[in-house]
Amino acid sequence: EIVLTQSPGTLSLSPGERATLSCRASQSVSSSYLVWYQQKPGQAPRLLIYGASSRATGIPDRFSGSGSGTDFTLTISRLEPEDFAMYYCQQYGSSPQTFGQGTKVEIK
Amino acid sequence: EVQLLESGGGLVQPGGSLRLSCAASGFTFSTYAMNWVRQAPGKGLEWVSGISGGGGSTQYADSVKGRFTISRDNSKNTLYLQMNGLGVEDTAAYYCAKFVGGRSLVDWGQGTLVTVSS
Repeated sequence: EIVLTQSPGTLSLSPGERATLSCRASQSVSSSYLVWYQQKPGQAPRLLIYGASSRATGIPDRFSGSGSGTDFTLTISRLEPEDFAMYYCQQYGSSPQTFGQGTKVEIK
Repeated sequence: EVQLLESGGGLVQPGGSLRLSCAASGFTFSTYAMNWVRQAPGKGLEWVSGISGGGGSTQYADSVKGRFTISRDNSKNTLYLQMNGLGVEDTAAYYCAKFVGGRSLVDWGQGTLVTVSS
């Protein structure tokens, strides 16, 4: 099973700042099968990024993804108030599909 | 508009059973694989099970294999998760999600809460 480790666990930032979230895999993951989700309290997850770097429908361009192999990054260029949430990476190229434990982006 | 509506959650004693349902609308249900993902209170996401569009192929997480059964009725546009031998560790919100090739879990339901407690 591929283990995804997200860091940091919590990111405390102010609106307007840049957020950089990391997802590291225990073994190589095809970029095609690495995705990022956003989840707000009491809500279902929402797909943000697929294929490591492609934004899902309706996702603002302040969200971007990058990386390959075992190291992937989600960047939020300028935090808006609605961006403070949990973020999860997921790989589905290797069975079983797995999620990272999440990074909480909180208001500083 | 895609809609996924889970139901069937509730309080059950350890060792008990529940069947979750997920009613789908707004898309051609039979052409999409579907998944169940759960989230224990205050915890992260855990993939539980998946099923192909036609229902002929299923997959399970090791944590539920042999206890849970995923199925679908394409004539009713409904996904199911039969859960037997429930333990306290199965307490979670259970989400159904539509899988899109190349994009993974694009659409999610609102979740149904399963609480296993004596």
